[in-house]
Amino acid sequence: KAGVTQTPRYLIKTRGQQVTLSCSPISGHRSVSWYQQTPGQGLQFLFEYFSETQRNKGNFPGRFSGRQFSNSRSEMNVSTLELGDSALYLCASSLAGGTGQGWYEQYFGPGTRLTVT
Amino acid sequence: AQSVTQLDSHVSVSEGTPVLLRCNYSSSYSPSLFWYVQHPNKGLQLLLKYTSAATLVKGINGFEAEFKKSETSFHLTKPSAHMSDAAEYFCVVSDPGGKLIFGQGTELSVKP
Repeated sequence: KAGVTQTPRYLIKTRGQQVTLSCSPISGHRSVSWYQQTPGQGLQFLFEYFSETQRNKGNFPGRFSGRQFSNSRSEMNVSTLELGDSALYLCASSLAGGTGQGWYEQYFGPGTRLTVT
Repeated sequence: AQSVTQLDSHVSVSEGTPVLLRCNYSSSYSPSLFWYVQHPNKGLQLLLKYTSAATLVKGINGFEAEFKKSETSFHLTKPSAHMSDAAEYFCVVSDPGGKLIFGQGTELSVKP
């Protein structure tokens, strides 16, 4: 079974631009979560999508947005890039994500390394 | 609110000696706790999980962790370190909605 794939793996953008990152979950998984990893702030939760609906959201500004398609693939968009947005963006997929009633393992992709200059 | 604190940012051991990576948690609920490992330029991999079953949890690659409610701890151990264990390790708690909350990470170095 193929793992979680993220494209592109590396990206360089300039301040003020926007960027779209893509995540393809493991086949059959319906939940996709996004995380930002930086040396200073560590790993922080951005949002989770389940069946094309945002189900959970972290404490990030509205410049960070996402969506999920009917095939469970997900995209994350960052508008008006700032230097502080330079980070490794990780996507994770799971069968059903958090339900409050159970737990499903999250499988992580290799990440997209975004550099903002 | 849920949170985790990893007590050491860096741990260095010699190959063949025991590994101890320390983690304390805070949770308003009965927590789900995990340890993830991240090798350089690779994604995160789940080592083990605690979800209110047995308090001693065995994971992959010889790692195990013990949930101690009285001490609010979930330390990760391995009897004998291998060079391939060198990586960053994250202690993680899940909030009731399933969001993962990560500790700051512990970098494990293994000396030959």
